[in-house]
Amino acid sequence: EVQLVESGGGLVQPGGSLRLSCAASGFTFRSYWMNWVRQAPGKGLEWVANINGDGSDKRFVDSVKGRFIISRDNAKSSLYLQMNSLRAEDTALYYCARGRPTMDILLDDWGQGTLVTVSS
Amino acid sequence: EVVLTQSPATLSLSPGERATLSCRASESVVKYLAWYQQKPGQAPRLLIYDASNRATGIPARFSGSGSGTDFTLTISSLEPEDFAVYYCQQRYQWPPITFGQGTRLEIK
Repeated sequence: EVQLVESGGGLVQPGGSLRLSCAASGFTFRSYWMNWVRQAPGKGLEWVANINGDGSDKRFVDSVKGRFIISRDNAKSSLYLQMNSLRAEDTALYYCARGRPTMDILLDDWGQGTLVTVSS
Repeated sequence: EVVLTQSPATLSLSPGERATLSCRASESVVKYLAWYQQKPGQAPRLLIYDASNRATGIPARFSGSGSGTDFTLTISSLEPEDFAVYYCQQRYQWPPITFGQGTRLEIK
């Protein structure tokens, strides 16, 4: 059974930083594209970033480029999102989602999310 | 960026009725359109991919159709557990991967 467990969310001041983690199990982690998707309170889904299996290909939505860094540790079956220069509009529930081994970005499995609140 | 527009924003129906949800893309996404279901307090779940293929374990009452810019998700006979928010997502032109704003399917 695929399991994705996010952690690292919390309350942070504008301009601050936070590092999210996603612990994966139940599949061959190194073979899959992994994604971060966020959902602001009461709003829809927004794809944030993804990374391919060996970490050599990383893509971002424009609103986080230059501020967020996505990475993975295949030895630990873990995905990360380093979030810098945080803004109020980054407040959201952040989901880790498994893609596919290819660049077909279909989000087959999701974690339960970790809440990030950016506020003074 | 491909913009996906879903309609209606809210759909009020009764169990047993047929639901038809629409997703329109600002430019062609060929067949690369997926549908997700999200229930309150839960993560989204993949229902349909490539316009018309059901994901693993999805009941046959869910079906998808369309190509190019116009797509439809149909639920043939609503069950109580189908009342949720539905999102479409395109993967033809990315980044960014984009989602529609969602359709809330509520009990009438």
